[in-house]
Amino acid sequence: GESVGLHLPTLSVQEGDNSIINCAYSNSASDYFIWYKQESGKGPQFIIDIRSNMDKRQGQRVTVLLNKTVKHLSLQIAATQPGDSAVYFCAETLDSNYQLIWGAGTKLIIKP
Amino acid sequence: DTEVTQTPKHLVMGMTNKKSLKCEQHMGHRAMYWYKQKAKKPPELMFVYSYEKLSINESVPSRFSPECPNSSLLNLHLHALQPEDSALYLCASSRPGRGGQPQHFGDGTRLSIL
Repeated sequence: GESVGLHLPTLSVQEGDNSIINCAYSNSASDYFIWYKQESGKGPQFIIDIRSNMDKRQGQRVTVLLNKTVKHLSLQIAATQPGDSAVYFCAETLDSNYQLIWGAGTKLIIKP
Repeated sequence: DTEVTQTPKHLVMGMTNKKSLKCEQHMGHRAMYWYKQKAKKPPELMFVYSYEKLSINESVPSRFSPECPNSSLLNLHLHALQPEDSALYLCASSRPGRGGQPQHFGDGTRLSIL
């Protein structure tokens, strides 16, 4: 992902609706992908991960989808709640590598 | 509450001061990381320690000096910092061995350089 300067991409969602946050990753050789949630004043919090031998993985209220053909990753949050308000980052890496390649981040805003 | 603890939460220092940031984890992780994060940007990797040995230094200026005294602790010593070094400094840890494991982050130290 590329930085968009001082303004993060923003997604506004009605409380109770589903949210879909998208990420285009850069390296076709990447084989491990992670989603993080960062609330204001806190560090990134691990949400869910997926390896390249899978195309879907589900957690509690979250689902990650991986489309290797178009190098696309998405995070779906079911029944969005006010506590889901945060910046969401995708990250990719090689399984043998400590270095994460981060997306620019998406700010999720929940409308009451 | 996170399982990676960072102290202090906030730090204000002058350009001639020497200070240290501290990080502690008790998850048995043997890889530990320092990141720098500016507002509205993703974290930038600074250093990686693997089994208490410096594994990666992302061309960080020498005014930042990391130290890993044992498998649970990670320090970042600061000296003669510049105003542009003001940022959130994050520590993270992950399972031993190679990558492909989630990194778990602390809540960071908010550093302001006067």
